[in-house]
Amino acid sequence: NAGVTQTPKFQVLKTGQSMTLQCAQDMNHNSMYWYRQDPGMGLRLIYYSASEGTTDKGEVPNGYNVSRLNKREFSLRLESAAPSQTSVYFCASIKERDTEAFFGQGTRLTVV
Amino acid sequence: DAKTTQPPSMDCAEGRAANLPCNHSTISGNEYVYWYRQIHSQGPQYIIHGLKNNETNEMASLIITEDRKSSTLILPHATLRDTAVYYCIVRVNTGNQFYFGTGTSLTVIP
Repeated sequence: NAGVTQTPKFQVLKTGQSMTLQCAQDMNHNSMYWYRQDPGMGLRLIYYSASEGTTDKGEVPNGYNVSRLNKREFSLRLESAAPSQTSVYFCASIKERDTEAFFGQGTRLTVV
Repeated sequence: DAKTTQPPSMDCAEGRAANLPCNHSTISGNEYVYWYRQIHSQGPQYIIHGLKNNETNEMASLIITEDRKSSTLILPHATLRDTAVYYCIVRVNTGNQFYFGTGTSLTVIP
């Protein structure tokens, strides 16, 4: 039982490049989330998916797109990376509204 | 969604109880209070949550005031491994969002 798995763990992009961050959970959870965390800051919600086939914007969605491919997988895409998107990205999943969320170990992204 | 206010930092002596406060004065009746912590740059870890009553588990206790406008997380015997950033979160009622604030950086001192 791996929990929440994020790939890659580290990535360096050039400005303007695109990439997709992958997240998968094996706990049969309904809801999944993408957060970003800048140095010294708390986590900010980018997008979330309450169930398979649905996605909604969070606090900071600009510059990102998401796909809830199936119940297990929730990907985050940067179409044209910018230095302001340098951050640590965390994926999380939760089964129901009043239960705990499980987080992945993060993807450390640097855009140069 | 209800916002939370936490002190930016706190110290606690090893072996003593750590009491971390959180204000959530705009909380609505069916919103839960959650606590998570983040050690170094790892993914946040769930600690405890509650609605109205005080809660206790193997990690911590959660004390929620009667008016639910504030709460306190208690780590009964803090160890060096409890040094982390602690986040108090109020879970919104609509949809499934939950938002982190800036948290409290707890340092446990030997």
